[in-house]
Amino acid sequence: QTVVTQEPSLTVSPGGTVTLTCASSTGAVTSGYYPNWFQQKPGQAPRALIYSTSNKHSWTPARFSGSLLGGKAALTLSGVQPEDEAEYYCLLYYGGAQLGVVFGGGTKLTVL
Amino acid sequence: EVQLVQSGAEVKKPGESLKISCKGSGYSFTSYWIGWVRQMPGKGLEWMGIIYPGDSDTRYSPSFQGQVTISADKSISTAYLQWSSLKASDTAMYYCVRLEEDVAVAAWDYWGQGTLVTVSS
Repeated sequence: QTVVTQEPSLTVSPGGTVTLTCASSTGAVTSGYYPNWFQQKPGQAPRALIYSTSNKHSWTPARFSGSLLGGKAALTLSGVQPEDEAEYYCLLYYGGAQLGVVFGGGTKLTVL
Repeated sequence: EVQLVQSGAEVKKPGESLKISCKGSGYSFTSYWIGWVRQMPGKGLEWMGIIYPGDSDTRYSPSFQGQVTISADKSISTAYLQWSSLKASDTAMYYCVRLEEDVAVAAWDYWGQGTLVTVSS
């Protein structure tokens, strides 16, 4: 059973920069896992932010960026705003016959 | 405008059956995969499975294989998630999500608003 691991929680000051990571139990995360990132606020459906490692959707604020960092997928928020306080989930696409997809456990980002 | 609109909240008893829906609009429904995601109360997102409405090709997460059935009716641009015998542990929010897939691209982009399923005696 593949496990995708994220930091359970992080705290950042308004205007600061924070990096969230996404690791796979199978080894280094590469672009071939097509990392996606989502933001979810309480009582709302998830919202897509980043796809295929570093691509932004048309609605993704410029302060969000995706990358690969030290064998993990990473989501960096630069110039954090109070409204960025939320849960963030990564998704890795393992493909194969089952089109395997695994979500990370989520990172609760607090802006304080 | 791309939209995925899900059916309303359900309250069921253990052992009952249920089918919830996800209607796509604003795009070619048969050309994109639709996936289903479970979120239990206070917990994270879990991948359940996916269907390609164009040919009904369906794949399940091992954790959900045999527990649910995913289907689609392309004539009405609607995907479904169904249970034959609900359990209390099926209580959760269920989301549908569209997958845009191309060469070097896999984007889970548009999400439904969610359907809350409550199973209680």
